[in-house]
Amino acid sequence: AQSVTQLDSHVSVSEGTPVLLRCNYSSSYSPSLFWYVQHPNKGLQLLLKYTSAATLVKGINGFEAEFKKSETSFHLTKPSAHMSDAAEYFCVVTVTGGGNKLTFGTGTQLKVEL
Amino acid sequence: DAGVTQSPTHLIKTRGQHVTLRCSPISGHKSVSWYQQVLGQGPQFIFQYYEKEERGRGNFPDRFSARQFPNYSSELNVNALLLGDSALYLCASSFRWEVFGETQYFGPGTRLLVL
Repeated sequence: AQSVTQLDSHVSVSEGTPVLLRCNYSSSYSPSLFWYVQHPNKGLQLLLKYTSAATLVKGINGFEAEFKKSETSFHLTKPSAHMSDAAEYFCVVTVTGGGNKLTFGTGTQLKVEL
Repeated sequence: DAGVTQSPTHLIKTRGQHVTLRCSPISGHKSVSWYQQVLGQGPQFIFQYYEKEERGRGNFPDRFSARQFPNYSSELNVNALLLGDSALYLCASSFRWEVFGETQYFGPGTRLLVL
């Protein structure tokens, strides 16, 4: 079975400062990992994904994440936060043989202040 | 190109009633999955269909059922509604099934309120 743990339920940053959203995963097999973002009253949008190629993955809107097998982590970062980044972020895992069933974390609410 | 579409956008039902939610995948996508997102939580997997056959089922009671049609659209049915079924129901589509790292694209969801 696979699971993800998002270590912070809420993160607050000032506009223009770095963003760090933390995610640890657990998987019996090699995982594929995703970050999705959900704006209020909207569906889920894919930010980036890791599928065993490069461990540093670049996504949309300046976000990136690094897969660290030794730490079982897949933290999401952005060098400079923008007001439009305020949203709920989900770390997601799936494994080979799992039929692409996505297992979501509980989410991190990102607040960006002026 | 149109993304994943879902209907209706909002729905209010009373306990004991039945509901049908609909999803149209991205053109060319043959796999559809359904997820339930209760307020304040991450989405939970309900079903996955590929080529009109059920390929996966989450830990949901038999009151939940689904099907996929020849045009790859899908319906999620919930019988004997409970208050706890109030949630955002998300549909996701992907081109293939059982491919490592296949991206799933989500629709805007149907928000169901059970009174």
